[in-house]
Amino acid sequence: SAVISQKPSRDICQRGTSLTIQCQVDSQVTMMFWYRQQPGQSLTLIATANQGSEATYESGFVIDKFPISRPNLTFSTLTVSNMSPEDSSIYLCSVEDQTVIGELFFGEGSRLTVL
Amino acid sequence: DAKTTQPPSMDCAEGRAANLPCNHSTISGNEYVYWYRQIHSQGPQYIIHGLKNNETNEMASLIITEDRKSSTLILPHATLRDTAVYYCMFSTGTSYGKLTFGQGTILTVHP
Repeated sequence: SAVISQKPSRDICQRGTSLTIQCQVDSQVTMMFWYRQQPGQSLTLIATANQGSEATYESGFVIDKFPISRPNLTFSTLTVSNMSPEDSSIYLCSVEDQTVIGELFFGEGSRLTVL
Repeated sequence: DAKTTQPPSMDCAEGRAANLPCNHSTISGNEYVYWYRQIHSQGPQYIIHGLKNNETNEMASLIITEDRKSSTLILPHATLRDTAVYYCMFSTGTSYGKLTFGQGTILTVHP
């Protein structure tokens, strides 16, 4: 299993500002994934973060709005840029189990409220 | 996108079996069925997955129909702590964790 730590756990932000969320894993992993969960909704994959290359974004998500860094095999950041109230969500980092394909471990999430 | 159909909510008495259905009629032959759950204010948790055969682990059992168009997750003795949103998904598994979460089933276990 993998233990994932996210910071901040929650934050209240002003419209127009940007916030960077950090994700730290206790073991080296090939890929890290960022999901968004809007209030009362299911999870939506934002992007896949690969070490040493640019992140791969899903339809509807762009790098300018959600820049991602992956400097090493245990760490990634997601920035939510130029925030609006519509960005109020829980952002979750996840990694895939190294032995069970499709088994993802999730962090506890970062709950952002944009005023 | 991989689409599944689940009932929006279900109730279950504590100690009884909870049977959660899922329809995945568009599943391909090489795609696995995955089940996750999300307890309130926590990240999703993997439960079980299967391809063709029924599967069982310490958390649950997974029954997949012969045509693979539907499956049932069984929690044999539900407890109050099993109250959560349960998500059924399918994936080749080789897409490196690209799982498409549907709306899930809110399971409420009551005393």
